Amino acid sequence: DAGVTQSPTHLIKTRGQQVTLRCSPKSGHDTVSWYQQALGQGPQFIFQYYEEEERQRGNFPDRFSGHQFPNYSSELNVNALLLGDSALYLCASSFANTIYFGEGSWLTVV
Amino acid sequence: AQSVTQLGSHVSVSEGALVLLRCNYSSSVPPYLFWYVQYPNQGLQLLLKYTSAATLVKGINGFEAEFKKSETSFHLTKPSAHMSDAAEYFCAVLPAGGTSYGKLTFGQGTILTVHP
Repeated sequence: DAGVTQSPTHLIKTRGQQVTLRCSPKSGHDTVSWYQQALGQGPQFIFQYYEEEERQRGNFPDRFSGHQFPNYSSELNVNALLLGDSALYLCASSFANTIYFGEGSWLTVV
Repeated sequence: AQSVTQLGSHVSVSEGALVLLRCNYSSSVPPYLFWYVQYPNQGLQLLLKYTSAATLVKGINGFEAEFKKSETSFHLTKPSAHMSDAAEYFCAVLPAGGTSYGKLTFGQGTILTVHP
């Protein structure tokens, strides 16, 4: 049984560009959440998707958007990238109160 | 609002010694609580979780944690440290009710170093 898978694992973007990160949840999990983990900090909640709709959102600007597909996979989009967006982006899938994380996507903005 | 405080950003122990990582939470009602481990350049791995059943929770790799409502604590312990335990550990809280649509709030993390 595959766990939570994310792609790409590493990427470098230039300020002002846009990026899309992808996540496939663990089998049977219908809820996907995204977190940003800056260097030396704990993960911060960005938003959560359930039944293809954003159900809850953290303190992140509208530059951060997402989508969930009928097969429960999800995308995180960040527009107008800033240097401060450099971080590890983690996807978490959940069912009931069990939450599992993927390996993350390392984004570097130069 | 929920919050989590991990006391000690760095903990250093000798191999074979007791590991104790501290976590206190702030919540008006007992939440669900989690410990995750993060090895360098990797994602988060679930160690254990408390979901209002037994207050002493056993997890993977010999770790366990005890939920103490009176102290609002959920400290992580392991009787004997192994070199492979060196990693960063995060305590996290899920809002009361623990439904999957809640968001996890994480502590700042504790880096565990294990000396030979």
